Amino acid sequence: KAGVTQTPRYLIKTRGQQVTLSCSPISGHRSVSWYQQTPGQGLQFLFEYFSETQRNKGNFPGRFSGRQFSNSRSEMNVSTLELGDSALYLCASSLAAARDIQYFGAGTRLSVL
Amino acid sequence: AQTVTQSQPEMSVQEAETVTLSCTYDTSESDYYLFWYKQPPSRQMILVIRQEAYKQQNATENRFSVNFQKAAKSFSLKISDSQLGDAAMYFCAYRSAFYEKLTFGTGTRLTIIP
Repeated sequence: KAGVTQTPRYLIKTRGQQVTLSCSPISGHRSVSWYQQTPGQGLQFLFEYFSETQRNKGNFPGRFSGRQFSNSRSEMNVSTLELGDSALYLCASSLAAARDIQYFGAGTRLSVL
Repeated sequence: AQTVTQSQPEMSVQEAETVTLSCTYDTSESDYYLFWYKQPPSRQMILVIRQEAYKQQNATENRFSVNFQKAAKSFSLKISDSQLGDAAMYFCAYRSAFYEKLTFGTGTRLTIIP
């Protein structure tokens, strides 16, 4: 069974641009969560989607948004990029319930210049 | 809000020896899960072990075991017979039984000395 796939692996953008990251969950998994990892702030929860609906949201500005499609694939969008958005963005998927284990992808490394 | 604290930024251990990584957490909930994840240089977060709060028995996965002290809100990871492949960042994480959100500690970088 294929794992969680995140694309692209690396991305370089300039301030003010926008970016879209993609996450394909493990087959059969319906929940997708996104995390931001930086040296200064560590791992922080962005949001979680289940059945195309956002179920939970972390404490990030509205420039960070996401969506989930009917096949459970998810995208995360960051608009008006700032230098501080440079980070590793991790996606995790699980079957459905909070009791299920989350499996992580390898992440997308975003660099904002 | 829940918090997770890892007080050891770095640890090192001789190959084949045993090492224990510490983690404490704070929560007012009674039903939750605790995890140890490993993040090698490849960046992929890999689940090492999971503990369900309502289970008193400590979880074990091969060379990895935990010491779960619910009243003290302590959750340490013991790695026995350390191997070179165990070198990585180790994150302790908390999750409520009702939400998907994982709250992570700041991590402990484990170095294995050959």
